Amino acid sequence: NAGVMQNPRHLVRRRGQEARLRCSPMKGHSHVYWYRQLPEEGLKFMVYLQKENIIDESGMPKERFSAEFPKEGPSILRIQQVVRGDSAAYFCASSPDREDGYTFGSGTRLTVV
Amino acid sequence: KQEVTQIPAALSVPEGENLVLNCSFTDSAIYNLQWFRQDPGKGLTSLLLIQSSQREQTSGRLNASLDKSSGRSTLYIAASQPGDSATYLCAVRGGSEKLVFGKGTKLTVNP
Repeated sequence: NAGVMQNPRHLVRRRGQEARLRCSPMKGHSHVYWYRQLPEEGLKFMVYLQKENIIDESGMPKERFSAEFPKEGPSILRIQQVVRGDSAAYFCASSPDREDGYTFGSGTRLTVV
Repeated sequence: KQEVTQIPAALSVPEGENLVLNCSFTDSAIYNLQWFRQDPGKGLTSLLLIQSSQREQTSGRLNASLDKSSGRSTLYIAASQPGDSATYLCAVRGGSEKLVFGKGTKLTVNP
């Protein structure tokens, strides 16, 4: 049973480009969460999704950021027109149910140059 | 608004020492609390999950306790080893689905 799979592991984008981060949850997990870890800061919640539904996006910046978890395929975190301040590690986690603990992926480290 | 604090921010101990990492949270209405380990440049590895109805959980040399009423949890590491060097993160889950993380304790175990 593979863990939470994130790709790419490292992503370099120029300012103004788009970044697409992918996350495949553990088999049997229907709850997906995205977190961001800025340098020297703790992990901050961004968005919680179930299949085809955004449940809570209270941590997502209002502009340029979007997330989806389609019926088929991985969850995607999309950042449009990236800026230097978007450079961070982005982690995806999944859980089978609300009562269970999270399992995290290895993260995608985004660098904006 | 839930806030999670971890003390100390950094800790350096000699190999073999027993140690305690502390975590406090401001809102005692939690669903569960989870301790993670993060190695530099890596993801998070779950160590222990304590449900709100539980007082402690144990896994090998690790023991985590939870005192919900006082808003505190401790992670006890017995007989520390250099391989235990990492950042330890505490996270609480309240009524919403999100985890609220502390900033972590960076542990260094010296051979």
